[in-house]
Amino acid sequence: QSVLTQPPSVSAAPGQKVTISCSGSTSNIGNNYVSWYQQFPGTAPKLLMYENNKRPSGIPDRFSGSKSGTSATLGITGLQTGDEADYYCGTWDSSLSAAVFGGGTKLTVL
Amino acid sequence: QVQLQESGPGLVKPSETLSLTCTVSGGSMSSYYWSWIRQPPGKGLEWIGCLYYGGSTNYSPSLKSRVTMSLDTSNNQFSLKLTSLTTADTAVYYCARGRVGGSFWGQGTLVSVSS
Repeated sequence: QSVLTQPPSVSAAPGQKVTISCSGSTSNIGNNYVSWYQQFPGTAPKLLMYENNKRPSGIPDRFSGSKSGTSATLGITGLQTGDEADYYCGTWDSSLSAAVFGGGTKLTVL
Repeated sequence: QVQLQESGPGLVKPSETLSLTCTVSGGSMSSYYWSWIRQPPGKGLEWIGCLYYGGSTNYSPSLKSRVTMSLDTSNNQFSLKLTSLTTADTAVYYCARGRVGGSFWGQGTLVSVSS
């Protein structure tokens, strides 16, 4: 059971938009920055978003991040088949003094 | 460009201790957090712990009693020791720069716990 809650799967058609939610509490998302990772099978996770809504160099602006209260959201517009991957949210938990991840969301581009 | 590379045994016996090393190249270790994260086959990411360049550490509450992390700045390396292994510790182990992962990750190393 992950501290952060993500939907196990989401799907949408190519060209459409999808959002992935990440729900936590005041001790984690509510008071700390959220980052998002994209992971393809057999490869290491790749940073997509940091400090809630900042994109590292090289990440297209089709990817966006937001945070409100104890929840965060990753948005992807103009979906491409190459976006099919697992997506994870992560943050620091001040009560645990530990980092926590969501269980991951599998994105299918139909 | 910063690169990280994990090294260590691919197979360990139950009850034994796992020792992994992460070698950092292309950048300094100073002023950064360094973390270990693992992923059991077919499952999600699990944070193991992190250490700061200055020496402070934080460990996952569920693994704290079995984990030790240390830094070897002279060789640009940091390491993980996990004791009393069980089959549940079978996973791909990643090292990364940052407290919650970050921009730079190693490619991961599969550790299987089996007799």
